[in-house]
Amino acid sequence: DIQMTQSPSSLSASVGDTVTITCRASQGISNYLAWYQQKPGKVPKLLIYGASTLQSGVPSRFSGSGTGTDFTLTIVSLQSEDVATYYCQKYNSVPLTFGGGTKVEI
Amino acid sequence: EVQLVESGGGLVRPGGSLRLSCATSGFTFRSDTMNWVRQAPGKGLEWVASITSSGTYVYHADSVKGRFTISRDNAKNSLFLQMNSLRAEDTAVYYCVRDGSDSDGFFSYLEYWGQGALVTVSP
Repeated sequence: DIQMTQSPSSLSASVGDTVTITCRASQGISNYLAWYQQKPGKVPKLLIYGASTLQSGVPSRFSGSGTGTDFTLTIVSLQSEDVATYYCQKYNSVPLTFGGGTKVEI
Repeated sequence: EVQLVESGGGLVRPGGSLRLSCATSGFTFRSDTMNWVRQAPGKGLEWVASITSSGTYVYHADSVKGRFTISRDNAKNSLFLQMNSLRAEDTAVYYCVRDGSDSDGFFSYLEYWGQGALVTVSP
């Protein structure tokens, strides 16, 4: 099975900073990569699919890039409401594996 | 508005069984692949199972294969997860999730999530 490895596992940044989270697949998955945001005590929310397509309603400060095995989620001008854990997930085939998550704190 | 409402969670003894249900509305249920994803307390997300729109194809994670069964009733717009031989490590919030509609592959991202149902396996 393909493994998904996120880094870092946690980070602390200041409001207004640019934050980058990486996700690496153990084998190529083309662009079948999604990113989710889970705020404390809340349900996960889809942010990006197809590695770089922003889900409707998601602020434009979020962006995704990458293809094959290496992907990034970037948050430009971090806001206090972005405190959350972020997960990548592959969906080229089953199992639909998630990364371990990156906890973003202010 | 897409709505996914899970029910059937609760406390069960190790080795016991439980059946989760997910009542859906706001979309054409019979047209979409559906999924179960779980999250153990304080842990990350884990895909559990998927079922295609007609129910022809089902897929289960290795961790639950042979113990859990995903199914659906398109006439009742409902998704199910039959969980047998439950273990302590199955303790988690179980989310009912609808596939995304913009994937060009056989599988898709996870677009709509229910609020979750808590399953606790404990003596």
